Amino acid sequence: EAGVAQSPRYKIIEKRQSVAFWCNPISGHATLYWYQQILGQGPKLLIQFQNNGVVDDSQLPKDRFSAERLKGVDSTLKIQPAKLEDSAVYLCASSHNVGTRTDTQYFGPGTRLTVL
Amino acid sequence: AQSVAQPEDQVNVAEGNPLTVKCTYSVSGNPYLFWYVQYPNRGLQFLLKYITGDNLVKGSYGFEAEFNKSQTSFHLKKPSALVSDSALYFCAVRDASNTGKLIFGQGTTLQVKP
Repeated sequence: EAGVAQSPRYKIIEKRQSVAFWCNPISGHATLYWYQQILGQGPKLLIQFQNNGVVDDSQLPKDRFSAERLKGVDSTLKIQPAKLEDSAVYLCASSHNVGTRTDTQYFGPGTRLTVL
Repeated sequence: AQSVAQPEDQVNVAEGNPLTVKCTYSVSGNPYLFWYVQYPNRGLQFLLKYITGDNLVKGSYGFEAEFNKSQTSFHLKKPSALVSDSALYFCAVRDASNTGKLIFGQGTTLQVKP
């Protein structure tokens, strides 16, 4: 079974530029998560989708971050404009169901963003 | 609010010795607890989870974790450490809301020396 795919793996941009990350979840997984992992910290949820609907975006800085999952499969996370503090690893995860607290989330390799 | 704490930034053990990586949690309701491992420049890999039942949970790569309700702990263990176990380990608790998001500790670096 193929895992969660993410691209690009690394990205370096100047502050105020825009950037987009792509994620393809495990086939058949209804729920997709985007986490931000700042160096030295654990991942923190940015946004969660079930199929193509948003379940939780309470921690997403909506003035600069946006995300979509139009067909309920792959997803794009965008930052516009980027700030220095956005330097982090952006992790995508997927799980089979939402609302099932026993469900396991499987993570992709992440995209390491450096904002200069 | 749900939270987890990993009191040690780094754990050092010799290869072949037993290892323990500590985690304590705070939840309302039943705890659903997870351990993940992260190798350099890699994503998080699932090791094991506690949902209910036996307090000793067995997972991948020979790891196990002991759930202790009275001490609100979920420590990760392995009887005999390998150099290849050296990595960053995260404990996480499932949020009590219906969204099911994971709330992670800050991570513990495990260093296994030959």
